[in-house]
Amino acid sequence: AQKVTQAQTEISVVEKEDVTLDCVYETRDTTYYLFWYKQPPSGELVFLIRRNSFDEQNEISGRYSWNFQKSTSSFNFTITASQVVDSAVYFCALYPSGTYKYIFGTGTRLKVLA
Amino acid sequence: DTGVSQNPRHKITKRGQNVTFRCDPISEHNRLYWYRQTLGQGPEFLTYFQNEAQLEKSRLLSDRFSAERPKGSFSTLEIQRTEQGDSAMYLCASSLGQGLPYEQYFGPGTRLTVT
Repeated sequence: AQKVTQAQTEISVVEKEDVTLDCVYETRDTTYYLFWYKQPPSGELVFLIRRNSFDEQNEISGRYSWNFQKSTSSFNFTITASQVVDSAVYFCALYPSGTYKYIFGTGTRLKVLA
Repeated sequence: DTGVSQNPRHKITKRGQNVTFRCDPISEHNRLYWYRQTLGQGPEFLTYFQNEAQLEKSRLLSDRFSAERPKGSFSTLEIQRTEQGDSAMYLCASSLGQGLPYEQYFGPGTRLTVT
């Protein structure tokens, strides 16, 4: 089965705290892609990152960083020094090979309190 | 480039009626996706077009759903004989690419309420 699990339904943090959003995926494919999208209160999903299954290097983009570990089938997302503008629902998605279908997790709602 | 647009933004219909939604992707994007999203859930894949060809359709999609993308430009999603369970946000996304999955650009969605 191909599946994405985001076990954290909602997380609340105080501004400037660091927060990690978990993503665990299931696939038997050796080639696949993983994505993170942000859905702010305005509603439109916004692309954050794409990672292919052969690239396990962690990535940092400003306050955002991603940790990809094939051994645990996880692709976790960390926001450092969170800000109120980071408040949104964050989705992890899997794109297995041999299909055109993206499989999204159920999302994690992040609330950053001032 | 004004992004992906969807019309209408909201649609209220009575059970049993047919509805049609339109999606205008970013002009140079050859890939187009339709998704359905319900409260508290992630987008659920419905169908995929590469140019005008519908290459994949979810098995979860009943025969009441149909989509087209004539000439590889805008796309329409039609739901026939709507049911209350069809109430959801319908999202359209477009992207570039032939092989690799590129980032998708999402539209604002059409919220359907079936009464």
